[in-house]
Amino acid sequence: GQNIDQPTEMTATEGAIVQINCTYQTSGFNGLFWYQQHAGEAPTFLSYNVLDGLEEKGRFSSFLSRSKGYSYLLLKELQMKDSASYLCAVRVSDTGRRALTFGSGTRLQVQP
Amino acid sequence: ETGVTQTPRHLVMGMTNKKSLKCEQHLGHNAMYWYKQSAKKPLELMFVYSLEERVENNSVPSRFSPECPNSSHLFLHLHTLQPEDSALYLCASSQDRGFSQPQHFGDGTRLSIL
Repeated sequence: GQNIDQPTEMTATEGAIVQINCTYQTSGFNGLFWYQQHAGEAPTFLSYNVLDGLEEKGRFSSFLSRSKGYSYLLLKELQMKDSASYLCAVRVSDTGRRALTFGSGTRLQVQP
Repeated sequence: ETGVTQTPRHLVMGMTNKKSLKCEQHLGHNAMYWYKQSAKKPLELMFVYSLEERVENNSVPSRFSPECPNSSHLFLHLHTLQPEDSALYLCASSQDRGFSQPQHFGDGTRLSIL
């Protein structure tokens, strides 16, 4: 089966840096996605990693270690608008499987 | 604006009612998805359509019936639902080309079963 774990909640201060971890155990692996979801809104795509290493995109960076089944999302210079849920999702390599397997999400609260 | 529009945004229905959820994507994608999002649980995949053919049905009860008349539209027909079916139903679309293509989600329909 598929198992994706991430912390349920995190709190951080405006202007600081926060790291949200995700560990996964899946049958096959074809990439890991991070999504941001504000309350009552659609999840929006943040990043995709398939090779080991760090992908940087503005204030957000995502890291992957395939051998450890581990990823993290790093948010720098936190802003109040970054308060949201962050969803980790894995695309497995079962034949014909296009959909994503999601973790439960990490709710991030940014405080002044 | 995500390019994926879902209607209605909110729906309250009794267990004996029949209703339909609608999803429309304006992104030129060729794959569409239905997900269920319940409180404090991961998004659960329900159905996948690629090129208007259903390619995955994730053991969903028959009281949920999807329909994909063309690559831009996706429906979820509901009948005789149960209270545990109350949830946020999310539609997504993607370009079915390689593994790196992200899915683009609509804002969802918040469904409440009385």
